[in-house]
Amino acid sequence: EPEVTQTPSHQVTQMGQEVILRCVPISNHLYFYWYRQILGQKVEFLVSFYNNEISEKSEIFDDQFSVERPDGSNFTLKIRSTKLEDSAMYFCASSPDRSEAFFGQGTRLTVV
Amino acid sequence: SQKIEQNSEALNIQEGKTATLTCNYTNYSPAYLQWYRQDPGRGPVFLLLIRENEKEKRKERLKVTFDTTLKQSLFHITASQPADSATYLCALVRNNQGGKLIFGQGTELSVKP
Repeated sequence: EPEVTQTPSHQVTQMGQEVILRCVPISNHLYFYWYRQILGQKVEFLVSFYNNEISEKSEIFDDQFSVERPDGSNFTLKIRSTKLEDSAMYFCASSPDRSEAFFGQGTRLTVV
Repeated sequence: SQKIEQNSEALNIQEGKTATLTCNYTNYSPAYLQWYRQDPGRGPVFLLLIRENEKEKRKERLKVTFDTTLKQSLFHITASQPADSATYLCALVRNNQGGKLIFGQGTELSVKP
């Protein structure tokens, strides 16, 4: 069964460093998303991506964040200068038609 | 302000009983509502989707109802099993928002043998 894969599963980084979280969405899906979940809190929308551009972003997704789909298969989230409060689980998701979303297993980002 | 609220307390039930979880929302007009299951340290897994013009949806032991007048969805698991123990998330999708999911905080379900 096709699935969304995310790497790495866990990333530890120093405050101020750049991180890139990687995702391989399901191959025939057209809509891509990043969500995050701070420990013990709800899953929060960050950004949606369609047709090679951002279709919507949340207030969390400020200038420190960017997304790319560099080669037609990978979908990346970059955080330019990490802060302690960026520590969270980051989930990539994809959807064929904006209905049900298929989530990856997440990358746990720890900023120290 | 816009809110999505689920039973905040954990739900503990006996194996074989029906679990009923509630999702209430205010100040939204969702195009549809989805339910996901989340296990600790894992990503959400899609279970069911119900559209605003549908009253009820079923899939095996799962049933979802959607009352747009009450602004409420109920999620039922019949003949519950210990393997159903997880956190269940309700999520709304609004019209013309590209599939963006707005999640509730989730309800933790524990099914005891």
